[in-house]
Amino acid sequence: EVQLVESGGGLVKPGGSLSLSCAASGFTFSTYGMNWVRQAPGKGLEWVSYISSSSPYIYYADSVKGRFTISRDNAKNSLYLQMNSLRAEDTAVYYCARIGPTMDDFWGQGTLVTVSS
Amino acid sequence: DIQMTQSPSSLSASVGDRVTITCRASQDIRNDLGWYQQKPGKAPKRLIYAASTLQSGVPSRFSGSGSGTEFTLTISSLQPEDFATYYCLQHNSYPWTFGQGTKVEIK
Repeated sequence: EVQLVESGGGLVKPGGSLSLSCAASGFTFSTYGMNWVRQAPGKGLEWVSYISSSSPYIYYADSVKGRFTISRDNAKNSLYLQMNSLRAEDTAVYYCARIGPTMDDFWGQGTLVTVSS
Repeated sequence: DIQMTQSPSSLSASVGDRVTITCRASQDIRNDLGWYQQKPGKAPKRLIYAASTLQSGVPSRFSGSGSGTEFTLTISSLQPEDFATYYCLQHNSYPWTFGQGTKVEIK
């Protein structure tokens, strides 16, 4: 069974940093591209970032480019999101997701990041 | 960047009604589109991929159509468990973009 479990969310002050992790199991993690998607309270879904299976291809939403860094450790079956220079508008539930063009579609339960003084 | 314009933003419908939700892309995305259902406090769940293919385990009352720039999600006979928010997602080019969402409420 595919499982994605996010961790690392919490309360952080504006301008601060936070690192999210996503532990993957139930599939060969090293062969799949992975995504982060977020959802601000009461708002819609926003795609944040993608990393390919062996990391040569990385993409970001314009809203986080230059502040967030996606990475992965295939030996640890883990996906990461380093978030710097956080703003109030980054407050959201962050989901780790494996989204493929055909059958693949798996999401974690999400982790809440709150940016507030 | 590709913009996805989803309509309506909300609708009220009764059990048994036929419901249609539309997404329009700002440029040709072929059939690189999925439809998601999200219930409060839960992760999104994909219903349709490649614009018109039903995800495994999804009831056949859900269907998708379209290609290029115009896409439609149809629920042929709305059931109580279908009251939720629906989103389209284009994955033709980065950055991927979601539609703004359609909240389906009980009339």
